[in-house]
Amino acid sequence: AQRVTQPEKLLSVFKGAPVELKCNYSYSGSPELFWYVQYSRQRLQLLLRHISRESIKGFTADLNKGETSFHLKKPFAQEEDSAMYYCALSGTSGSRLTFGEGTQLTVNP
Amino acid sequence: GAVVSQHPSWVICKSGTSVKIECRSLDFQATTMFWYRQFPKQSLMLMATSNEGSKATYEQGVEKDKFLINHASLTLSTLTVTSAHPEDSSFYICSAGTGNYEQYFGPGTRLTVT
Repeated sequence: AQRVTQPEKLLSVFKGAPVELKCNYSYSGSPELFWYVQYSRQRLQLLLRHISRESIKGFTADLNKGETSFHLKKPFAQEEDSAMYYCALSGTSGSRLTFGEGTQLTVNP
Repeated sequence: GAVVSQHPSWVICKSGTSVKIECRSLDFQATTMFWYRQFPKQSLMLMATSNEGSKATYEQGVEKDKFLINHASLTLSTLTVTSAHPEDSSFYICSAGTGNYEQYFGPGTRLTVT
């Protein structure tokens, strides 16, 4: 069975501070990991995926297979980063996504 | 590109009636479409996966006779909530996949059953 855990439902930081949203997963094979973001009153959209190893809007995430983690990080948070962030896992291409519970990030001025 | 629309965005219906929600991929062909349900302040729960021209695969605990899914073409999937009851009130979200891991999400449909 595949499972994604985001231990923090709420996370609040000040503008300019570093931010880390935690994600742990369990999966028996080699998973694809994703971070999705949902801004207020907008649809869910892909932020980044581990296979592309890119930085989007200053966010990065590294897959740590030993710790089965895929934490999302940004060195300097901005107010516009305030949103709900979901970590998700897919087992094979085109297959179902399993979402974590989500972390509501609030960046205070 | 890669836009997914849902219609309606909001619907209110009376208990016992059926409601159909459409999901369309506007500028691409979706090999697979997914239907999720989201309760307030909770995560997305996958209800079913559908491939064009074949029967949907439902997740455990989802009643296939209550949540009818039709995937008539590579750009359209519909979810029909039959004999709706107040506990079916929720936010229903579809997504469309192109077979390369990525899914594109619709804006969601808020269903309220009175």
